[in-house]
Amino acid sequence: EVQLVQSGAEVKKPGESLKISCKGSGYSFTSHWIGWVRQMPGKGLEWMGLINPEDSDSRYSPSFQGQVTISADKSTNTAYLQWSSLKASDTAIYYCVRPSHYYDTSGSLRLGWFDPWGQGTQVTVSS
Amino acid sequence: DIQMTQSPSTLSASVGDRVTITCRASQSVSYWLAWYQQKPGKAPKLLIYKASSLESGVPSRFSGSGSGTEFTLTISSLQPDDFATYYCQQYNNYWTFGQGTKVEIK
Repeated sequence: EVQLVQSGAEVKKPGESLKISCKGSGYSFTSHWIGWVRQMPGKGLEWMGLINPEDSDSRYSPSFQGQVTISADKSTNTAYLQWSSLKASDTAIYYCVRPSHYYDTSGSLRLGWFDPWGQGTQVTVSS
Repeated sequence: DIQMTQSPSTLSASVGDRVTITCRASQSVSYWLAWYQQKPGKAPKLLIYKASSLESGVPSRFSGSGSGTEFTLTISSLQPDDFATYYCQQYNNYWTFGQGTKVEIK
């Protein structure tokens, strides 16, 4: 069974650093990109960025570029989402996701819908 | 950026009702669109991909249609387990979600 298992809930103070994790199992970890999605309290879903664990090539949504860092360790099949200085507005649930592979109409291999999802990591930033 | 707009934001319905949710894209996404269901405290679950392809294990009362800029998710006969929030997502150009549609009990 393909699974993404995330690290547990975190409570931090503004200005602190944080690194949360997502461990993949049941598939070849280096054959699939891993992404992150934010869900602020009572709000919708926002794609943050993703990484190719094979070579650590990463892409970020413009909204999150420079705000977070995504990394991966292929020796442990784990992806990470990191903040250097948290803000109260970073309070949210963060999900890791595995984008599917599909071929578009020109025959090019592309990244598609998200499945599976990790169970989510609640991050609370409060003084 | 491609913007995705869902309507309605909230929908009140009864068990057995036929329910339709609309998702509009700010520019064409072809048929590169997915639908997800999210229940409180849970991660989203994939229902449909490529606009109309039903994910394995998803009940056949769920269906998707559309292409270009307008898409619909239909639940043919609403069941108690279907009360949840539904999101559309385009993956033609990076990824963008709609704001969600909450299906609540009438």
